[in-house]
Amino acid sequence: GAGVSQTPSNKVTEKGKYVELRCDPISGHTALYWYRQSLGQGPEFLIYFQGTGAADDSGLPNDRFFAVRPEGSVSTLKIQRTERGDSAVYLCASSPAGRASGRTDTQYFGPGTRLTVL
Amino acid sequence: GNSVTQMEGPVTLSEEAFLTINCTYTATGYPSLFWYVQYPGEGLQLLLKATKADDKGSNKGFEATYRKETTSFHLEKGSVQVSDSAVYFCALSEDNQFYFGTGTSLTVIP
Repeated sequence: GAGVSQTPSNKVTEKGKYVELRCDPISGHTALYWYRQSLGQGPEFLIYFQGTGAADDSGLPNDRFFAVRPEGSVSTLKIQRTERGDSAVYLCASSPAGRASGRTDTQYFGPGTRLTVL
Repeated sequence: GNSVTQMEGPVTLSEEAFLTINCTYTATGYPSLFWYVQYPGEGLQLLLKATKADDKGSNKGFEATYRKETTSFHLEKGSVQVSDSAVYFCALSEDNQFYFGTGTSLTVIP
């Protein structure tokens, strides 16, 4: 079946602009995660959704970052007033049940969106 | 807190050489351990996992054993191929919160 998809694959924007990054998880997966991967680093956790609600947003770096998942499937990561330091690959992952499952879930990753802030 | 430390790269090997990529972890509880692989131009893919101490994960000729006494999960393969060239990430999961290492780039030359 279809995996996790993310659009756009690349986004170039200017400092101060607003961007939206989209994630389509695997159908039926209730848990959705956003990560940020800087060059030469591993993915760093940003936010976790269980269904429609943000169950853990402790990884968001500041209030310029926000994410929604209004219908419990597609999620959008929104970044306001972008800064050059926001340049990174933004990864989305989904899993069948997430933290509520009481068991270890495998996370399935999308290909990422490469954001470049000029 | 939880963290993962993995061997720095890049690693360059000849085809059919033996591969070891070291990974150690720090965790407050009893995590599950994973190796993910990222091929050029692609997203992260699960390579193998182990959910409890002494478990061995294996896939595509790669193996890793969950060693609680040494807090390690080293990745090994007996004979690498050119197609194994990729970046390898060690990760731990506790309560389904994931922590990743910085990645180790592997290049296999013919």
